[in-house]
Amino acid sequence: EAGVAQSPRYKIIEKRQSVAFWCNPISGHATLYWYQQILGQGPKLLIQFQNNGVVDDSQLPKDRFSAERLKGVDSTLKIQPAKLEDSAVYLCASSFYKRADEQFFGPGTRLTVL
Amino acid sequence: AQSVTQLDSQVPVFEEAPVELRCNYSSSVSVYLFWYVQYPNQGLQLLLKYLSGSTLVKGINGFEAEFNKSQTSFHLRKPSVHISDTAEYFCAVTFGSYQLTFGKGTKLSVIP
Repeated sequence: EAGVAQSPRYKIIEKRQSVAFWCNPISGHATLYWYQQILGQGPKLLIQFQNNGVVDDSQLPKDRFSAERLKGVDSTLKIQPAKLEDSAVYLCASSFYKRADEQFFGPGTRLTVL
Repeated sequence: AQSVTQLDSQVPVFEEAPVELRCNYSSSVSVYLFWYVQYPNQGLQLLLKYLSGSTLVKGINGFEAEFNKSQTSFHLRKPSVHISDTAEYFCAVTFGSYQLTFGKGTKLSVIP
């Protein structure tokens, strides 16, 4: 079974530029999560989708971050404009249903904002 | 307030020695508990989980953890570590919901 795919793996941008990350979850998984992992900290949930609807985006900085999952499969997370403090690893995870014990994580995208 | 605390940010240990990584949580509701491992430049991999039943949980790679409700702890143990266990370990908790709250992580360094 293929795992969660993410691209790109690494991205370096200047502050105030925009960037987008892509995630392809495990086939058949209805729930998709985006986490932000800042160096020295544990992952923090940014947004959770159930199919193509948002379940929880309470910790998403909506003035600069946006995410979509239009067809209930792939998802894109965008930052516009980026700030220095957005430097982090962005992890995507998926699960068959909204169960914490069955989340599978992708390799992440490491973002560096200069 | 609900929180997860990993008491040690870094733990060095010699190869074949035992190790314990500590995790405490603060909660007034029932919890599910998890340990994840993250190897360099990789995503998180589930090591083990406690949902209910026996408080001693066995996971992959020879790791085990014990849920102690009175001490609100879920410490991870391995009787004999290998070089390949060098990684970062995260404790995670659900506080009455299905969403994970992670600790800050413990970096385990196994010394040859």
